[in-house]
Amino acid sequence: IVMTQSPATLSVSPGERATLSCRASQSVSSNLAWYQQKPGQAPRLLIYGASTRATGIPARFSGSGSGTEFTLTISSLQSEDFALYYCQHFNNWPLTFGGGTKVEIK
Amino acid sequence: EVQLVESGGGLIQPGGSLRLSCGASGFTVRSNYMSWVRQAPGKGLEWVSVIYSGANTYYAESVKGRFTISRDNSKNTLILQMNSLRAEDTAIYYCAAHSTGYFYFDFWGQGALVTVSS
Repeated sequence: IVMTQSPATLSVSPGERATLSCRASQSVSSNLAWYQQKPGQAPRLLIYGASTRATGIPARFSGSGSGTEFTLTISSLQSEDFALYYCQHFNNWPLTFGGGTKVEIK
Repeated sequence: EVQLVESGGGLIQPGGSLRLSCGASGFTVRSNYMSWVRQAPGKGLEWVSVIYSGANTYYAESVKGRFTISRDNSKNTLILQMNSLRAEDTAIYYCAAHSTGYFYFDFWGQGALVTVSS
C-alpha cells in the first residue's frame, strides 16, 4: 500500500490552523496513525485508529477519515508544532509510511 | 516509564555485518510485538522488520534474506542482525514497540546510526 501525503511543505503562521492530508492507494479502513518528528529526535505517536489521540497529545491535534482519505488537523499552531508529520497504515504487511509533510513557520 | 535504547551502530564496509541491540526498561520485550524502523539521511521512515510475541517474524522486501530480527529474553533486548550490508542500508535504525497489539508504533528508541561505506 502506497501512502501519499500532501502538501510536502505547509507554511503556516502561529495560531493558524494546519490541515495535512494522507491518501492510501487502497483502503486501510481506520488503521492509520500519525507521527510528529522534530530534527534529531525519534518520531512521536500523535494519532492512532485514524482519530484517537495518543496519551499526552494536546486536544489541538485531531485526526479524521477512513478508507483511503485521511486528515490531520492542528487547530491553532504553537511554536512547538513546527515539525515533520508522517502518516502510517497498519492494515496489513508491509507497514508503510507516507513521505511526510513539513510544517514550517510562515 | 518505558525506555528503549539502541546500540551497536557504526561504520561498516559494504558486504559486512553488524548487530544492533535495543535494550528495554519499564517494558517486557518478549511480551510485546517489536519492530525496527529506519530512516536514511534526510529521507522518510521505512519499516524494516517485526517480531511477534510468539516469535513470528516479517521483513520488508528490501532486507529479506539479509536481516534477522530476534530477542534475547534474558536481557530484555531486541536484536537486528544485518548481513551483506549495502550502501542503501545507511540509515538511523529505530527500535519501536507495538504495546497495544496493533501495529502502530507507540514507543520509540532514540535511534542508532549505521553507515555503510568503503
